Amino acid sequence: GIQVEQSPPDLILQEGANSTLRCNFSDSVNNLQWFHQNPWGQLINLFYIPSGTKQNGRLSATTVATERYSLLYISSSQTTDSGVYFCAVSGGSEKLVFGKGTKLTVNP
Amino acid sequence: NAGVMQNPRHLVRRRGQEARLRCSPVKGHSHVYWYRQLPEEGLKFMVYLQKENIIDESGMPKERFSAEFPKEGPSILRIQQVVRGDSAAYFCASSPLDRGTAQHFGDGTRLSIL
Repeated sequence: GIQVEQSPPDLILQEGANSTLRCNFSDSVNNLQWFHQNPWGQLINLFYIPSGTKQNGRLSATTVATERYSLLYISSSQTTDSGVYFCAVSGGSEKLVFGKGTKLTVNP
Repeated sequence: NAGVMQNPRHLVRRRGQEARLRCSPVKGHSHVYWYRQLPEEGLKFMVYLQKENIIDESGMPKERFSAEFPKEGPSILRIQQVVRGDSAAYFCASSPLDRGTAQHFGDGTRLSIL
C-alpha cells in the first residue's frame, strides 16, 4: 500500500518564526489532506490539496504530485499553532493513509 | 469540524462490556469512514461504509468489532467484550463522494477501558 513519511518528527519554534513541514508519499494520489491535531485531540482540517497551492491566512500548502511530496508552510507562528500536524493521502482506494505526524511546539 | 457529530465524546467501559460509538455525518454525505488512534500512534483506517453497505473493512480487527450505517440514523461502531487494548480515540469522517473530495472529521470518541 501507499507509504507516507513526514518530516521533521519534532519541531520547536519561538513565537513569530516561520516553518516548513514536509510530506512524502510513495505513489500517485487522488486525495491529500493536512490536519492539525490540537492539544484537546481535535482534528482540524487545514487543506484538501491533491495538487497545486492553497493559502489560508498564515498557513499555505503546496503539493507537487509528479514528485510525490507536499509542503505545509506556517508563517509568524503563534503558541496556538502547537500540536501535531498530520498529512494523509489516498490513492486508488478511498481510505486515508496517515503519516506519523510532526509535533510542533511554539514557545512564547 | 464541518458538522460531523460523534457521541459520546468520552466513554468509559469495564473489560468485557460492550462499547457503542455513534457518528452522524455531514448532512448530504453518504460516505462514512472510521479511524482509530491508539496512544502515541497515528491514525489508522478501520472501515468505509455507504448507506446499508460495508465497502471496505480491511482495517477492522477480525473479532469483536463491527460497523453499520443504516438507511436511517447514525453510523455505529460496535466493540464487544472490550479489552484494555481497545482504549483509543475513534474518529469518524464523512464525504459526499468517494473520490475527489475531502473527508470531514468529527471530534472523536475517547474510549477508556478500566
